[in-house]
Amino acid sequence: ETGVTQSPTHLIKTRGQQVTLRCSSQSGHNTVSWYQQALGQGPQFIFQYYREEENGRGNFPPRFSGLQFPNYSSELNVNALELDDSALYLCASSLGTGKTDTQYFGPGTRLTVL
Amino acid sequence: GDSVTQMEGPVTLSEEAFLTINCTYTATGYPSLFWYVQYPGEGLQLLLKATKADDKGSNKGFEATYRKETTSFHLEKGSVQVSDSAVYFCALLRESGTALIFGKGTTLSVSS
Repeated sequence: ETGVTQSPTHLIKTRGQQVTLRCSSQSGHNTVSWYQQALGQGPQFIFQYYREEENGRGNFPPRFSGLQFPNYSSELNVNALELDDSALYLCASSLGTGKTDTQYFGPGTRLTVL
Repeated sequence: GDSVTQMEGPVTLSEEAFLTINCTYTATGYPSLFWYVQYPGEGLQLLLKATKADDKGSNKGFEATYRKETTSFHLEKGSVQVSDSAVYFCALLRESGTALIFGKGTTLSVSS
């Protein structure tokens, strides 16, 4: 069974650019959640997708957007990058959206904005 | 709003010492509670979980009990190893099942 995978591993962008991060969910999982982890901090919830629809969103501006595809993989898009967007971006997949549905994390994408 | 508070680190122990990392939470309703571990340069790995009051989660010698009366989920291990050195995150999952709310993490360093 393949776990959650993310690409790319590392990315360097300059301020004002746009970036797309990708996530493949674990086999059988229909829900994907995205988190931002700044250095030395706990992850912060960005949004969740369930069966291709957004199912909840954290306190992030609209320039953070996402998609989920029919195979349940997902993308996170960030427009107009700012220096504070430098972080580890984590994707997690789960069997569903209930409180007993454990979220399993991928290895993350390290984004550096210069 | 919902929140998780963990004891601040770093926690420095000798091999075979007893470990406790305190975690308390604030939440409406009955969330699920989790401990995740993060090794340097990696993502988060689920360590253990509990979904209702008085449940005990356990894995790899680590244990935590969901205490509703004290809103706590303290992580314990009887004998730590050097390989347990990592950052430990306590988290809650709301009844809605969307957002995990994390504590700030506790760094554990075990020396031989």
